[in-house]
Amino acid sequence: AQSVTQPDARVTVSEGASLQLRCKYSYSATPYLFWYVQYPRQGLQMLLKYYSGDPVVQGVNGFEAEFSKSDSSFHLRKASVHWSDSAVYFCAVSAATGNYKYVFGAGTRLKVIA
Amino acid sequence: NAGVIQTPRHKVTGKGQEATLWCEPISGHSAVFWYRQTIVQGLEFLTYFRNQAPIDDSGMPKERFSAQMPNQSHSTLKIQSTQPQDSAVYLCASSLGGGVSNERLFFGHGTKLSVL
Repeated sequence: AQSVTQPDARVTVSEGASLQLRCKYSYSATPYLFWYVQYPRQGLQMLLKYYSGDPVVQGVNGFEAEFSKSDSSFHLRKASVHWSDSAVYFCAVSAATGNYKYVFGAGTRLKVIA
Repeated sequence: NAGVIQTPRHKVTGKGQEATLWCEPISGHSAVFWYRQTIVQGLEFLTYFRNQAPIDDSGMPKERFSAQMPNQSHSTLKIQSTQPQDSAVYLCASSLGGGVSNERLFFGHGTKLSVL
């Protein structure tokens, strides 16, 4: 069964600084990997997804994530954060075949300060 | 496209009462997922349907929780004899369900259940 670990429950960064949110997954085969964001009072929205190809995948709003098979990781990055990026970010994994349920990590709450 | 619609947005029940949560997926989407969100546990998978058929209910508490999808336009999550530990935000999501697992999930705003 697949699982996801987001080791940082809360992250605070200054506006304009770079960001990395960590995600480690566990799955026996190659998974589909996703990052979702939950802005205050809004539903979860997908930022990006990855299955194969270039390990660096681009998403919306300047976000990107890098897949590492050797490290079983899928970290999210952004070069320069804006106050509007304050939200909860979830990493998710889904099997490539068979049961398509999506398993989410516990989430990382990002606070961007001036 | 109104997105995934969940009703009610907030529900308050007394301990021992029944709660029914409704989800209307995006028209044309054939997969519906239910999740429970709490501060402590994060997003927990409960169950999902594809073409109205239950596919995986491994996350559902064996007692008191049940989910149905009687037609393509809505799904319900019913909690009998609610307990304070059931207090959470219940999220519904849908996807096109074309048979591949790299599809994007579209989430509703959730139903916040408070059990007093």
